[in-house]
Amino acid sequence: DTGVSQDPRHKITKRGQNVTFRCDPISEHNRLYWYRQTLGQGPEFLTYFQNEAQLEKSRLLSDRFSAERPKGSFSTLEIQRTEQGDSAMYLCASSRRGNIYNEQFFGPGTRLTVL
Amino acid sequence: DQQVKQNSPSLSVQEGRISILNCDYTNSMFDYFLWYKKYPAEGPTFLISISSIKDKNEDGRFTVFLNKSAKHLSLHIVPSQPGDSAVYFCAASAQGAQKLVFGQGTRLTINP
Repeated sequence: DTGVSQDPRHKITKRGQNVTFRCDPISEHNRLYWYRQTLGQGPEFLTYFQNEAQLEKSRLLSDRFSAERPKGSFSTLEIQRTEQGDSAMYLCASSRRGNIYNEQFFGPGTRLTVL
Repeated sequence: DQQVKQNSPSLSVQEGRISILNCDYTNSMFDYFLWYKKYPAEGPTFLISISSIKDKNEDGRFTVFLNKSAKHLSLHIVPSQPGDSAVYFCAASAQGAQKLVFGQGTRLTINP
């Protein structure tokens, strides 16, 4: 079964290193989202895919961030040259096309700590 | 610019009583509103939603009320149970938009 899965669950890295996170959405969901959540805040939208097309990117997604969804299945989020301000929980969500309330199903998140 | 605001960071309620969580928004383009519950070390879990054409939606112990003129919504949990202790997020979505805009969250603690 299955819900949205994310890997790894935790990542500790040194400033300046590159990191990559993976998200596997619910299998019949064609929409996939990435959010970032910092302490004491709600999730903030980063980017959205419909199938393999990246249709929207937040201004929060700087040039150091890139996301892909090859073949419209799993997605990866890469952060290059990490900075301490990148420390956050990175959440992935998926949804079905035609879902009028925009109900999104979230994974458990990847917690990134940049030292 | 915080378009969705939850002004109470925390709320403590006795088991069996009613819990009321509040949320305000500023963007009149929002058409759909959702509540999510989040336990530690887990992602947010969808709880209940409401469209802007309604003023109330009920699902078991959970009821969401929407006051469009005041740009305010609330989540009522009756009766409150210990398992309801979690962080609750209000979220909003504009028609045609895909992203959800979240509030800061309210930590609900149900005391036995």
